[in-house]
Amino acid sequence: QQQVKQSPQSLIVQKGGISIINCAYENTAFDYFPWYQQFPGKGPALLIAIRPDVSEKKEGRFTISFNKSAKQFSLHIMDSQPGDSATYFCAARINQAGTALIFGKGTTLSVSS
Amino acid sequence: GAVVSQHPSRVICKSGTSVKIECRSLDFQATTMFWYRQFPKQSLMLMATSNEGSKATYEQGVEKDKFLINHASLTLSTLTVTSAHPEDSSFYICSARDMGDGYTFGSGTRLTVV
Repeated sequence: QQQVKQSPQSLIVQKGGISIINCAYENTAFDYFPWYQQFPGKGPALLIAIRPDVSEKKEGRFTISFNKSAKQFSLHIMDSQPGDSATYFCAARINQAGTALIFGKGTTLSVSS
Repeated sequence: GAVVSQHPSRVICKSGTSVKIECRSLDFQATTMFWYRQFPKQSLMLMATSNEGSKATYEQGVEKDKFLINHASLTLSTLTVTSAHPEDSSFYICSARDMGDGYTFGSGTRLTVV
């Protein structure tokens, strides 16, 4: 019940295309859903995050779609660029003091030029 | 934005020695910090939760005597890998919950035990 299931494991997209990564969860106590981008040898960096009372959030080329009833959320990267090639992690958190993020297994995105 | 500084970025040590990794929140106070371990091409695995002024809480399977965590101030947490062995070689990452909802991560430490 604590898991966040992420798919696909890897993704290859052509430059200019749309990259879509999906995550699903079971625990309805989760109240915060961020997406992180990680480059090799670096720590994760926050891309965008959403709360369950919002169905969609857009920041530049990145959009989170959130379906509370289905317990699913997804990241859409519009106009994908080679510089977007990285590993993406979805995560979730229970809003209690001192609780850590629970991460999905990650998706390795390769954008071909 | 919130910044977490982690040092060193890379360290090579001999088997049997100890290594200390520092994690500092530069522009905010972090009551709670988290330590993760990441193996190649895998996700982040939570090792422990560090609370300022109290003992750390370790996840199941993590040896608290091997991975010593100290959170002596609101801006500094340290992870010491004691009597390191080659199987401890990994990428260690700290994180702190910032002023809002977010969690800011350090840049990670690549530990190689030879």
